[in-house]
Amino acid sequence: KNEVEQSPQNLTAQEGEFITINCSYSVGISALHWLQQHPGGGIVSLFMLSSGKKKHGRLIATINIQEKHSSLHITASHPRDSAVYICAVNTGNQFYFGTGTSLTVIP
Amino acid sequence: DAGITQSPRYKITETGRQVTLMCHQTWSHSYMFWYRQDLGHGLRLIYYSAAADITDKGEVPDGYVVSRSKTENFPLTLESATRSQTSVYFCATRSSRVGYTFGSGTRLTVV
Repeated sequence: KNEVEQSPQNLTAQEGEFITINCSYSVGISALHWLQQHPGGGIVSLFMLSSGKKKHGRLIATINIQEKHSSLHITASHPRDSAVYICAVNTGNQFYFGTGTSLTVIP
Repeated sequence: DAGITQSPRYKITETGRQVTLMCHQTWSHSYMFWYRQDLGHGLRLIYYSAAADITDKGEVPDGYVVSRSKTENFPLTLESATRSQTSVYFCATRSSRVGYTFGSGTRLTVV
């Protein structure tokens, strides 16, 4: 069983749509991270959060500690948002990654 | 330039050879990590280090050796490369302030 589960695995959206990617985890965590990886590219950290909600531009990340669940929202999606989005958690010195959600935004 | 640097970017090596992947950070982030990324598996942790001279195994450590004599460097060595170690390798640091920062990756092919 994976400690971090993401859904959906693959997502195709039309430009302008509101997108939600979900992450559920089974361990107590110190922090949860959302990462972005463009095709053939490096990995960029989008958010680190341990409670509540964070917003950066069109991206919003929320976390519910009691439900062990986080969501990444993208408003007004754009083709440049096409990437793999990875959820990761750490608990003490243990680190767990989801397998990622592949997002394709069609013009 | 400030940041995290991996070298080489690309490497082809033969089965049985020893190869070392380098990782250097210009900050003083305590935590450093080595991950491999393969299709269908996502990122898998090989080794991590919480500080200089402190290293711990991750999920897939077999066949790899790390060291961290200085805070800024965290080399990963494949002692005797195998074809199953063909992968993209990412080094990363983590700080409580900014979270993860990843290197650009090293694409290793073992033939």
